Amino acid sequence: GQQVMQIPQYQHVQEGEDFTTYCNSSTTLSNIQWYKQRPGGHPVFLIQLVKSGEVKKQKRLTFQFGEAKKNSSLHITATQTTDVGTYFCAGRTNFGNEKLTFGTGTRLTIIP
Amino acid sequence: EAQVTQNPRYLITVTGKKLTVTCSQNMNHEYMSWYRQDPGLGLRQIYYSMNVEVTDKGDVPEGYKVSRKEKRNFPLILESPSPNQTSLYFCASSSGQLYSGNTIYFGEGSWLTVV
Repeated sequence: GQQVMQIPQYQHVQEGEDFTTYCNSSTTLSNIQWYKQRPGGHPVFLIQLVKSGEVKKQKRLTFQFGEAKKNSSLHITATQTTDVGTYFCAGRTNFGNEKLTFGTGTRLTIIP
Repeated sequence: EAQVTQNPRYLITVTGKKLTVTCSQNMNHEYMSWYRQDPGLGLRQIYYSMNVEVTDKGDVPEGYKVSRKEKRNFPLILESPSPNQTSLYFCASSSGQLYSGNTIYFGEGSWLTVV
């Protein structure tokens, strides 16, 4: 079955440093979504990428979808304490198929 | 206020005792889904529903049932819970098909322990 791997599993950064998490799928994706889950909270939808090579930005967050639509990345510039949480990617293989496969997540902690 | 409401939020139950986790959304969303979250495994989709009376299996449907008799409700049923179903469960909803880029809203989560 489809697998979506995320690396790293954990990341500790000093406040102000950059952070990147990578998502790799075993199969080609029709689209990919990113979520953030604060400690003790529920996942919150951040963004969806659909096109090959697509890049989207939300303030300090930059999301990329690979040319082959099998990988994606989330980059945070100049991290802040509010960025703490676990970041998940989630991919779909077919349009019309609402089966979402989530990555294992990257837990980000910030050292003030 | 847009909400996905799950109940109960916390439950400890015994093996084999049927239980239902309710999920209700107030946004008139067509799409609803259930996930379980386990350490190191991320979120895994159990079942989803595209509309009333339309349900389909996710990646880990074994041991679970769902129903979608009304648009707003999507209960998760554990007919005979077992300890390996101890997990954090999330219900989610969206206004349309996911490829349209519609925002997905998650409930607060239900912690279930089966002893």
